[in-house]
This record gives sequence, C-alpha cells and structure tokens, in this order.
Amino acid sequence: TQLLEQSPQFLSIQEGENLTVYCNSSSVFSSLQWYRQEPGEGPVLLVTVVTGGEVKKLKRLTFQFGDARKDSSLHITAAQPGDTGLYLCAGTSGTYKYIFGTGTRLKVLA
Amino acid sequence: EAGVAQSPRYKIIEKRQSVAFWCNPISGHATLYWYQQILGQGPKLLIQFQNNGVVDDSQLPKDRFSAERLKGVDSTLKIQPAKLEDSAVYLCASSLYEQEFSDTQYFGPGTRLTVL
Repeated sequence: TQLLEQSPQFLSIQEGENLTVYCNSSSVFSSLQWYRQEPGEGPVLLVTVVTGGEVKKLKRLTFQFGDARKDSSLHITAAQPGDTGLYLCAGTSGTYKYIFGTGTRLKVLA
Repeated sequence: EAGVAQSPRYKIIEKRQSVAFWCNPISGHATLYWYQQILGQGPKLLIQFQNNGVVDDSQLPKDRFSAERLKGVDSTLKIQPAKLEDSAVYLCASSLYEQEFSDTQYFGPGTRLTVL
C-alpha cells in the first residue's frame, strides 16, 4: 500500500513567520497535488505538480516536487491567520489514484 | 457555477442501522468520487465512477457499503449495517474528465456520520 507521510502533523505559529510542510513517500508518483481544507468544508485544490524538480508559486506559497517524484514540500512565507487550515498532499500514479497524505494542521496566530 | 452538493450534512445513527448519502456533482463532470475521511486523517478513496461505470472500488468494504451513480449524474452511497468505525466525514468530489495524472477534483462539503 502506498503511503504519503506528512510532517509536521501540527504546527502553530505567529503571524508573519515562515513555515515548510513536507510530504514524503517511498513510492514514485506521476503527479502530486496540494489541498487546503477548512472545518466543515471539502478540500480545495491549491496546485498540481507533475515534473520532477518542478517549483510552482502561488502568491506567498511555494510548492516543490522532488527530483525523484517521491516527495514534495509546501513553503509559506509571512503566514497570515487566513492560512489556517488542514493542508493535504495527494499523489497519483498509474495504479493508485489520489492517495492522500496524513495531513498537516496549521494554525496561524494573530 | 454551482458546486458539488451533498446531503444530509449531518447524520447520527445507531450501529447496525442503515444510512444513505446523496451527491449531486457539478454539471457536466464525468467523473465522481466518494471518499471517507476519519477524524485526523486524510481522505481515503472508496469508489470512483466514470459516467455511470465503476473505475475503481478496490477500497470499498463491499460487504456493507454500496454505491451507484444514476444516469451518470447523481450518486448515492449506502452503508448497511453501520459499524462504530464507520464514523467519519463522507466526501463527494467530481471532475470534468479523467485527465491523466492531473485532473482537478472539486469537493462537496461532506456528510458527517456519527455511529453510536
């Protein structure tokens, strides 16, 4: 069974700080997606990365797909309270569709 | 554009009872997914439909769970009989088509099931 481990599991930081969330697997994925989920809602797609080594930026969020396509990171610069939520990575491959990671719960304090 | 609709939003039942969830995907979306999200975990794919055919149901506990997609549009997920470990949020998602490896899924708000 493919697994996507995320770290840290919980993160509480002050507004303005930077943070990085990691998503790791021993398996290779064809693509990897990052989602944010708020309480009482479904996950919302933030980005999809498909090429090893690919870096994508979305305002203050920077996403990187590992060269070997087994891992990914999400970096947030100058975090704001509106960034609070559950961050999920999800990988896809030829056999397995949309394996979700264990999640990182982020709280940004004003 | 309307999003993915799910009902009910909350359901509380006793173990061994039956329950059904309904999902109305975004209009025109060919692919529909049902996920189970246990508290503190990421969603787990239960079943994936392409139009009204099943693409993947490898993680669906078929002895108690069943799902159908009516005329390739709405879908229902049923649990019969429910167990305590079925307590979770059941998420429905849809996508335009299965673009290999990079399709965008749009999720509904989920149904929170509590089994007592």
